[in-house]
Amino acid sequence: AQSVTQLDSQVPVFEEAPVELRCNYSSSVSVYLFWYVQYPNQGLQLLLKYLSGSTLVESINGFEAEFNKSQTSFHLRKPSVHISDTAEYFCAVSAYSGAGSYQLTFGKGTKLSVIP
Amino acid sequence: NAGVMQNPRHLVRRRGQEARLRCSPMKGHSHVYWYRQLPEEGLKFMVYLQKENIIDESGMPKERFSAEFPKEGPSILRIQQVVRGDSAAYFCASSLSTGQVLTEAFFGQGTRLTVV
Repeated sequence: AQSVTQLDSQVPVFEEAPVELRCNYSSSVSVYLFWYVQYPNQGLQLLLKYLSGSTLVESINGFEAEFNKSQTSFHLRKPSVHISDTAEYFCAVSAYSGAGSYQLTFGKGTKLSVIP
Repeated sequence: NAGVMQNPRHLVRRRGQEARLRCSPMKGHSHVYWYRQLPEEGLKFMVYLQKENIIDESGMPKERFSAEFPKEGPSILRIQQVVRGDSAAYFCASSLSTGQVLTEAFFGQGTRLTVV
């Protein structure tokens, strides 16, 4: 079975400062990794994903994440945050469940608060 | 192309009543997933369905909960005799294919169930 750990439940950061949201996973099989963002009272939106190839993946709004297999991590980073980045961020792993399907397993989320 | 549509967005039920949550997947998607988000928790997988088939219900509570995805119409998550502990946000996701790997799932905006 796979699991996802997001080490920080809340991260406050000043506007234009850099931020890192940490994510570690455990799985006995090959995995695919995702970051989703959830704005208040909204659904989840895919931010970026790692399937294969380059271990550094980027989103269109300046976020990036690096897959580190040896450390089983997929930390999310942004060099300069904006007020509009205030949201909750979920790390997820997709792996074969053994019950005939692939499933997304989510971490508990990290609430990013950007302070003006 | 409309996204994943869930309704209602908010649902209030008294203890003991039934709750019906609906999910229309994205056009062309035949795979539907239901997740539950409890306060301060990440999303937990409940059930995975294809048209007229339940593929994986390993995350579904054994009693009072059921799900279907008929040949025509939306997927329905049904909760009978609701209790306060059922209060949560229920998210539906759809994908084009999960034959090999779940590479991307599109989420609806969720139904927030409140049991009073």
